[in-house]
Amino acid sequence: AQKITQTQPGMFVQEKEAVTLDCTYDTSDQSYGLFWYKQPSSGEMIFLIYQGSYDEQNATEGRYSLNFQKARKSANLVISASQLGDSAMYFCAMRGLFGNEKLTFGTGTRLTIIP
Amino acid sequence: DAMVIQNPRYQVTQFGKPVTLSCSQTLNHNVMYWYQQKSSQAPKLLFHYYDKDFNNEADTPDNFQSRRPNTSFCFLDIRSPGLGDAAMYLCATSRTGTRSDTQYFGPGTRLTVL
Repeated sequence: AQKITQTQPGMFVQEKEAVTLDCTYDTSDQSYGLFWYKQPSSGEMIFLIYQGSYDEQNATEGRYSLNFQKARKSANLVISASQLGDSAMYFCAMRGLFGNEKLTFGTGTRLTIIP
Repeated sequence: DAMVIQNPRYQVTQFGKPVTLSCSQTLNHNVMYWYQQKSSQAPKLLFHYYDKDFNNEADTPDNFQSRRPNTSFCFLDIRSPGLGDAAMYLCATSRTGTRSDTQYFGPGTRLTVL
């Protein structure tokens, strides 16, 4: 069984500042994948970034980077130079190795960017 | 260009009146998923298709059914909607369903039950 914990229900950040969204996970699988999704108020889940458990380097995608600390079982999302359009709900999710197509989601963090 | 399309975006139905939600994809992905997301909660998987193989989650109520007539289309049927079924329904696809395979979501259908 997998579990994702996001301990920040809401965050307020000044525009142009960097922001870190926390995610810790628990799994007995040796191999797994970690994902971050953004969900604006419109409802669509937008894929942001992926990190594989055996990837040695932290994933980066434009302004998004994933701070992966395997020993601590954490996969924090870092958004650099935040923009007003970054205001949304952010979900951390994971998928295990075998026969488990299901994504396990955390409860999400609502990020609000302040002008 | 939309890759996962859901229709309608908003659906209002009456208590007990059957409703069908539609999902189509232009990605030619093997796997299609249906999630239910209630307000301020994480998405919850209802079921998924790997090609034509249907996989139901153990706690998905019998009230929810699904059809996948071809690779591109998948339908969610709610046979007798209750007030508790009001939610956002999200369709997603992935190429193979392996651990590194990204799921791509559609814009969702927001269902209201009167």
